[in-house]
Amino acid sequence: ETGVTQSPTHLIKTRGQQVTLRCSSQSGHNTVSWYQQALGQGPQFIFQYYREEENGRGNFPPRFSGLQFPNYSSELNVNALELDDSALYLCASSSRTGKSEAFFGQGTRLTVV
Amino acid sequence: AQTVTQSQPEMSVQEAETVTLSCTYDTSENNYYLFWYKQPPSRQMILVIRQEAYKQQNATENRFSVNFQKAAKSFSLKISDSQLGDTAMYFCAFMKRPGAGSYQLTFGKGTKLSVIP
Repeated sequence: ETGVTQSPTHLIKTRGQQVTLRCSSQSGHNTVSWYQQALGQGPQFIFQYYREEENGRGNFPPRFSGLQFPNYSSELNVNALELDDSALYLCASSSRTGKSEAFFGQGTRLTVV
Repeated sequence: AQTVTQSQPEMSVQEAETVTLSCTYDTSENNYYLFWYKQPPSRQMILVIRQEAYKQQNATENRFSVNFQKAAKSFSLKISDSQLGDTAMYFCAFMKRPGAGSYQLTFGKGTKLSVIP
């Protein structure tokens, strides 16, 4: 167990809807990253939050947005869902001191129908 | 931009034997970190081993060790005395050494390892 928890574990949404995924970071970690992992692929970086501000973004459209709260937990919001958004969404937390390692949650499996 | 390539989509190994997973990467950075992550069917990505590019000594963690060849941009993972619990997807990942910037990981497509009893 890494101490990073994500909710929900599974989710089914309809094309065009909006979805919010949640992540609680490991104690002491102030940086949260989100990744999208399509079936059979490696995770792709969506964005990262540090001290409640976006601090790096991958090649994802603006309908992917996020928040980080003062307790360092985070949300990933996706608007206007498309079928291709079906994937495993992983949250990772890191500390900016020490070994720069990322600890992952168990992911949220999103299915868009 | 960095790229990570894992050329072995699937591998298998007999229990108690040794297996090596390959990874190559491309970057113009001089300082960076490399990682191997394991993803079992439970989906949670688990850190196996970490290598800092400025360290010449290869990292080891119990049964896991790496062969890091910086000039060749190669980073292979050796698993000794393979166990059934090692069955999982293995991902090689790259991270630029962060200054004030992002702690972004770039992953390969993964190698599916099956340990056979």
